[in-house]
Amino acid sequence: NAGVTQTPKFRVLKTGQSMTLLCAQDMNHEYMYWYRQDPGMGLRLIHYSVGEGTTAKGEVPDGYNVSRLKKQNFLLGLESAAPSQTSVYFCASSYSSGGTEAFFGQGTRLTVV
Amino acid sequence: GQQLNQSPQSMFIQEGEDVSMNCTSSSIFNTWLWYKQEPGEGPVLLIALYKAGELTSNGRLTAQFGITRKDSFLNISASIPSDVGIYFCAGQRAGGTSYGKLTFGQGTILTVHP
Repeated sequence: NAGVTQTPKFRVLKTGQSMTLLCAQDMNHEYMYWYRQDPGMGLRLIHYSVGEGTTAKGEVPDGYNVSRLKKQNFLLGLESAAPSQTSVYFCASSYSSGGTEAFFGQGTRLTVV
Repeated sequence: GQQLNQSPQSMFIQEGEDVSMNCTSSSIFNTWLWYKQEPGEGPVLLIALYKAGELTSNGRLTAQFGITRKDSFLNISASIPSDVGIYFCAGQRAGGTSYGKLTFGQGTILTVHP
């Protein structure tokens, strides 16, 4: 059971570079989420998706874009990385919004220098 | 910004002691979830609550969904060293413009001294 898989696990970017984080889930879940985790800030929602082809803004969407072209994949893009985007990024998925469990990936540690 | 206020931010306790943490919100949630995160890992679900007033246990863990639907608490009884980690509450609404949105609290860092 792969569950939720995030790639890459680690990355170092220079300011201004772009990159895409990939999240893949094999549980046929409708809902997918991208969070960032910073010390003392908990998990803050960047963007989320309630189904294939849909996306919505979370609490901290600026500087990020997402796409959900396939149900099993949720991509997070950084068009022009900034040091403030240094963080640990987590992807999660859940079957529906009915309160079912959200499963998390192992995280991507991103450093922007 | 963050809609869930979780407290305390950190706890240092002796093995065997009981632990209590809570989460409050200005918004009504249909679901409350409690997660634990260990170093280098993603959060893992401990307890899910679906009804106002619901009290649910999972081993030494007990959580309640507040009657107002704006708060929840988690208790850990007789703590052991492996309880160490960061505990997060999370709330989810089932309707409105925030349909499907899962919001987390800031987390409670638990340290257990043997």
